[in-house]
This record gives sequence, structure tokens and C-alpha cells, in this order.
Amino acid sequence: DTGVSQNPRHKITKRGQNVTFRCDPISEHNRLYWYRQTLGQGPEFLTYFQNEAQLEKSRLLSDRFSAERPKGSFSTLEIQRTEQGDSAMYLCASSPNEVYGYTFGSGTRLTVV
Amino acid sequence: QKEVEQDPGPLSVPEGAIVSLNCTYSNSAFQYFMWYRQYSRKGPELLMYTYSSGNKEDGRFTAQVDKSSKYISLFIRDSQPSDSATYLCAMSANSGYALNFGKGTSLLVTP
Repeated sequence: DTGVSQNPRHKITKRGQNVTFRCDPISEHNRLYWYRQTLGQGPEFLTYFQNEAQLEKSRLLSDRFSAERPKGSFSTLEIQRTEQGDSAMYLCASSPNEVYGYTFGSGTRLTVV
Repeated sequence: QKEVEQDPGPLSVPEGAIVSLNCTYSNSAFQYFMWYRQYSRKGPELLMYTYSSGNKEDGRFTAQVDKSSKYISLFIRDSQPSDSATYLCAMSANSGYALNFGKGTSLLVTP
């Protein structure tokens, strides 16, 4: 286990379709985060899990977005009824408890056409 | 106004130069400060972290935090072409929670 794994790497979807992304964190990392990054911007926080509990959600996470982390292992991020404004890089990160900074995956690039 | 401001550049320097990157912030509650490096189409990679004010050095990299001025810096000595990337500052009020990122500064080190 060498890092945070995200799948798929790229996803092209038509507007209105649903998409789901998967993140596999580093083994035994209790905390898992989702961020969104658009071109020329820094990552923006979406949501955060400690084990299976979703502890914090950004107001950026509209009702069309839902994230889960069953059993405190991998996580999924689903976007329903995608819009062109959802086009972005979706980044997942993980960390052990009480550690400064965390490790990011390579992201899933979503393009909504 | 965003909580974290960072000049997007681009910044172009010759190989071997000392590079200075910086961010300002407005939230006085921030006490955890990080610098990430991001190559094109990759996720951010943690370079340095600092708690509260002070300096931290790691190889060619030095991070400085001045909480009184709400200003953080990253210095890169003897810059190399492989340092060409986008550098993101990030900060939070609590360890392990949501990070607030700057826009990132694009750095190009030319041979």
C-alpha cells in the first residue's frame, strides 16, 4: 500500500447523468477527506470522515453530492444530475489522527459535457 | 476577500536561484500551516508543515510563519528544473481538519 488510490482517473459524462468516484486511503488512516479543484484554483474542502462517521461538510456540497465511507475503509463520492459546473478534479486525501497535513491521491478528473 | 491570498505567478527563475513564495491570510485562528507542491495532473504533495510561528528547515526548503503579520513564506535554495511545479499554501485552525488553500503559485526553473 503505497498511497491514496482514486478511481477512475478520468470520467467524461453527459449533463444530467450520475457519477460515482472511489477513494482507497492509506491503510489504517482514520481520516479521509474530499476536495474539489478547478483550473487555476487551490483545492476546496468538500467533506471529511473520521472512520465511518462523516463529521464535516462544506456548503459547497449541495444536495446533489453524497459521500459515504462504509466500514471506515474506502469512500465513494456520488454526484447526481451532473451539471457543467461540476467539471473539476476531485481529490481524496487521508491521514492518521492528529497529524499535520495529509496525503492526497492523484484525483479523478470529471468533465461534464 | 478569500481567507488565504497567494500570487498565482507565474514565477520564472534560473537554475540555482533562491525562490521565495508567500501567502497572506486573514483568519487569526489559523495555527497550522503547510506547503504543498503539485505537478501537472497530479495530486498535491506535502512539502512542509509548521505549527504556530517560527521557521522550519528541511534540505533545500525553509518555511517561515509570521503570525503577527499573517504572512507565511517558503524558500527554495539552489532551485532545480525538477522544482518546476505549482506551490500551494494551506492552513487550518485545527490539526487534521479542513484545510484552506491559496490559489497556488506556478514556478518555472529554467536550466
